[in-house]
Amino acid sequence: EVQLVESGGGVVQPGGSLRLSCAASGFTFSSYSMTWVRQAPGKGLEWVSYIIGSSSVIFYPDSVKGRFTISRDNDKKSLYLQMNSLRAEDTAVYYCARYWLPDGLASPPGGYWGQGTLVTVSS
Amino acid sequence: DIQMTQSPSSLSASLGDRVTITCRASQGIGTYLAWYQQKPGEVPELLISAASTLQSGVPSRFSGSGSGTDFTLTISSLQPGDVATYYCQKYNSAPLTFGQGTKVEIK
Repeated sequence: EVQLVESGGGVVQPGGSLRLSCAASGFTFSSYSMTWVRQAPGKGLEWVSYIIGSSSVIFYPDSVKGRFTISRDNDKKSLYLQMNSLRAEDTAVYYCARYWLPDGLASPPGGYWGQGTLVTVSS
Repeated sequence: DIQMTQSPSSLSASLGDRVTITCRASQGIGTYLAWYQQKPGEVPELLISAASTLQSGVPSRFSGSGSGTDFTLTISSLQPGDVATYYCQKYNSAPLTFGQGTKVEIK
């Protein structure tokens, strides 16, 4: 059974940093691209970052580029999101999500989702 | 960047009604379009991939169609369990943009 468990959320002051983790199990982690998606309270879904299974390809939207860094450790079956220079508008539930199919096959990014971890940026 | 625009932003329909949600891309994306359902208080769930491929276990009253710039999610007969917000997402290339969502309620 595919499982994704996020951790690391919490309350942080504006300008601060936070590192989110996503522990994966139930599949060959290194074979799948992963993404982070966030959802501000009462708002819609926003894609935050993408990383291919080998870590050789990474993408961010402009809203977080230069502030957020996605990474993964395939030996530990873990995905990370380092968030720096946090702003009030970064307040959201952050989900990690696995692509539906392995790398090399076209598939949607949100095949499996974790339960999310809440990040609150407030003074 | 390609923008994804969903309409309507919300709708209220009666049980058994046919419901149609539209997602429009500002440029062509082929059929690299997914639909997700997010029930209140729950995590999003993948409903449809490749614009029209229903995921295993998804009721057959759901269907998707379209290619290029115009896509549709249809619920043929609205049921109580379909109360949710529905999102489209493009995945042909980054950015992997979501539509703003369509909230579906029962009248």
